[in-house]
Amino acid sequence: AQSVTQPDIHITVSEGASLELRCNYSYGATPYLFWYVQSPGQGLQLLLKYFSGDTLVQGIKGFEAEFKRSQSSFNLRKPSVHWSDAAEYFCAAFSGGYNKLIFGAGTRLAVHP
Amino acid sequence: ETGVTQTPRHLVMGMTNKKSLKCEQHLGHNAMYWYKQSAKKPLELMFVYNFKEQTENNSVPSRFSPECPNSSHLFLHLHTLQPEDSALYLCASSQESSDTEAFFGQGTRLTVV
Repeated sequence: AQSVTQPDIHITVSEGASLELRCNYSYGATPYLFWYVQSPGQGLQLLLKYFSGDTLVQGIKGFEAEFKRSQSSFNLRKPSVHWSDAAEYFCAAFSGGYNKLIFGAGTRLAVHP
Repeated sequence: ETGVTQTPRHLVMGMTNKKSLKCEQHLGHNAMYWYKQSAKKPLELMFVYNFKEQTENNSVPSRFSPECPNSSHLFLHLHTLQPEDSALYLCASSQESSDTEAFFGQGTRLTVV
């Protein structure tokens, strides 16, 4: 069955440090891939998406993600984290064959000053 | 502000009550969705409406009853809920149900007592 896995439930980084959040997918074909962010008490906001083409995609708020077919991964990165980046991050995948957007369980990011 | 508005933001209801959640979008989208977000679980897709027609019911119990009177409005009618139904209910919309970029509302935090 199709699935999206985010191995890290919680991550804590210091402000100014670099960040990488992991995401792996399990699909028969390459799905469309997304990263969403959810601040406390808020809905989900799209950070970036990958449909095809360049495997390194740029998003809002200084985030980027790299699609690696060989690893079935779509990891999210940011070179320097700000305190306002503390939130929960969700990786999601859509496969046309299933016509469904599937989310990972999320990674909660804490940022220390 | 994503263009998707949910009301109320918070709702506490007894197990014998009947209440409704409302979602409204003015983005010109034709597809609308209900998701359930429980603690420590991935987002669960509940219902999909495309051009006012329900195209997906993800094995949701009948105590949840969706209604989509037009492409801009989506309701979730609730009756005889259980405490385990307490969760954040998120509404989303997209251009069509095959369009994978979904815009989310801020959610309704539901507590069943």
